[in-house]
Amino acid sequence: KNEVEQSPQNLTAQEGEFITINCSYSVGISALHWLQQHPGGGIVSLFMLSSGKKKHGRLIATINIQEKHSSLHITASHPRDSAVYICAVRWAGGGTSYGKLTFGQGTILTVHP
Amino acid sequence: DAGVTQSPTHLIKTRGQHVTLRCSPISGHKSVSWYQQVLGQGPQFIFQYYEKEERGRGNFPDRFSARQFPNYSSELNVNALLLGDSALYLCASSSSLGFGYTFGSGTRLTVV
Repeated sequence: KNEVEQSPQNLTAQEGEFITINCSYSVGISALHWLQQHPGGGIVSLFMLSSGKKKHGRLIATINIQEKHSSLHITASHPRDSAVYICAVRWAGGGTSYGKLTFGQGTILTVHP
Repeated sequence: DAGVTQSPTHLIKTRGQHVTLRCSPISGHKSVSWYQQVLGQGPQFIFQYYEKEERGRGNFPDRFSARQFPNYSSELNVNALLLGDSALYLCASSSSLGFGYTFGSGTRLTVV
């Protein structure tokens, strides 16, 4: 079964702390997405990765294809970063799963002032 | 430039009723995917359409159906609603089948 696992499920931090959220997946992928979901539901795409590392502002995403693992880092965290962070993968290969995203269960991040 | 637009934003239906949810993709995007997100869980894939053809289907009963129109907008239909269908329904559009997704804000369906 193709699975995506995130850790931790819940994360509480103080403003300014460095935060890491992890994502592991079971088989080969063609792309991995990091998404942010705020209360009310809307999802914002943060990064799409197929290799290496990407950086946008205080957010950094890395992926290790061999280890089937990705991390999302937030430097100098702020209360406005409080949200659910979701990892989603597009599996390699075709068939009826082509184009489909499989999501992790999400990490609830709360940053206190 | 408008993002992905979903309507309605909220909806309350009674068990056994039928519901139609709508999604307008970003201009130029030809692929639309539908996801169901039950409270506390990650989204689950329902359907993907590309160029008006179904290209993927998740593990959902036949009560769920969808279509894509010539202007690439899409409808998700659910018949014979059950309480368990209560969820946030998300639409995502992309220019091709698997890259650069943009999500809508979702339709929150409550079945009572």
